[in-house]
Amino acid sequence: DIVMTQSPDSLAVSLGDRATISCKSSQSLLYTSNNKNYLAWYQQRPGQPPKLLFYWASTRESGVPDRFSGSGSGTDFSLTISSLQAEDAAVYYCQQYYNSPYTFGQGTKLEIK
Amino acid sequence: QVQLHQWGAGLLKPSETLSLTCAVYGESFSGHYWSWIRQVPGKGLEWIGDINHTGEINYNPSLKSRVTISADMYREHFSLTLESVTAADTAVYYCAREGQWLAPWFDSWGQGTQVIVSS
Repeated sequence: DIVMTQSPDSLAVSLGDRATISCKSSQSLLYTSNNKNYLAWYQQRPGQPPKLLFYWASTRESGVPDRFSGSGSGTDFSLTISSLQAEDAAVYYCQQYYNSPYTFGQGTKLEIK
Repeated sequence: QVQLHQWGAGLLKPSETLSLTCAVYGESFSGHYWSWIRQVPGKGLEWIGDINHTGEINYNPSLKSRVTISADMYREHFSLTLESVTAADTAVYYCAREGQWLAPWFDSWGQGTQVIVSS
């Protein structure tokens, strides 16, 4: 199985500041035939199912604010929130879909400082 | 817009069988793969398996010996059965739609069902 490792496990950021979450995979998620990275990002608020934010590592899902961005390639990826809003407090997960079984990172809890 | 609604028993005893069903509304069942995912407290998200309208099924090897996923194409429902449950199967179980064929991100989710296994 591909192991997904996120860092940090938690972070506290002030409103208006930038937050960055890292995700590393145990093998490359870049499929060379189509030059796409098989990685998604999710946001999960308490009591709710995860919400898709990005797929193909950097393609924003419809309705996701543009303060969110996804980047990276191969084995190293990042999710960045450029100016933190109160509603961004949540747990964030990365997920690989390069190989079955599809696997998730352990999650990063983002809190407002 | 697609909506997924799931239901099933939430309290089980060890060795019993977990059974959940997910109904798809607002979209044809035949256009996507459909997954089951669980969230174990303190252990994150685990993909269980998926199915499509032709009956093609894929399972996570970690659960394959105990899991069955099936679908009722006419009713546009799909179901999860997990046999011989233990406390380790206590989790919130979700059904979800996969974004694209051969590109399974999960873009729509059911509301989740809390399943507790306790004697």
